[in-house]
Amino acid sequence: GAGVSQTPSNKVTEKGKYVELRCDPISGHTALYWYRQSLGQGPEFLIYFQGTGAADDSGLPNDRFFAVRPEGSVSTLKIQRTERGDSAVYLCASSTPAGELFFGEGSRLTVL
Amino acid sequence: DAKTTQPPSMDCAEGRAANLPCNHSTISGNEYVYWYRQIHSQGPQYIIHGLKNNETNEMASLIITEDRKSSTLILPHATLRDTAVYYCIVSLWNAGNMLTFGGGTRLMVKP
Repeated sequence: GAGVSQTPSNKVTEKGKYVELRCDPISGHTALYWYRQSLGQGPEFLIYFQGTGAADDSGLPNDRFFAVRPEGSVSTLKIQRTERGDSAVYLCASSTPAGELFFGEGSRLTVL
Repeated sequence: DAKTTQPPSMDCAEGRAANLPCNHSTISGNEYVYWYRQIHSQGPQYIIHGLKNNETNEMASLIITEDRKSSTLILPHATLRDTAVYYCIVSLWNAGNMLTFGGGTRLMVKP
């Protein structure tokens, strides 16, 4: 497709489980971002990749959260030992060299 | 990044112009003003950006005051599909620029 693709669209898991969320950016976009959005709030920055490397991971809330982008395209956000407070919509975006961000539809994570 | 202030909600009649204000009194000289919107259950969508000149595209117009401390996003003929949360963000313009979203303005377009 032409846009940013995120899978799964919905994920329900139990407290303490491991979760992976996938983002397939727009072809040719070198910059990729992960954001998290809680109900009623604006998106909150988590991590930014330029190519394969994480250029800024200052938004990751703690060491249970980790993201990779091994080939500079698809990225995976990994959450270990999930907690109920991790429940949110996780948004991925990729950008043109000029910086306009294109967002996916998000992955809604529910931790029971 | 400079902080922005927006009204939490606004109403607009269908077919009329929607004027969404944003205050950014601490904006620095090299920071741009961006507008994104988020329709329910979708990811944010880029609308427009500007530095100091007014800008217009197929979606909207952006009016920035001369002192750059505030701006207004104008949707010239609002439709029901324009109902969304509109975010005003100020930041540097380049790839790798992390955008900081505030609470935005919830625009309700009414028939």
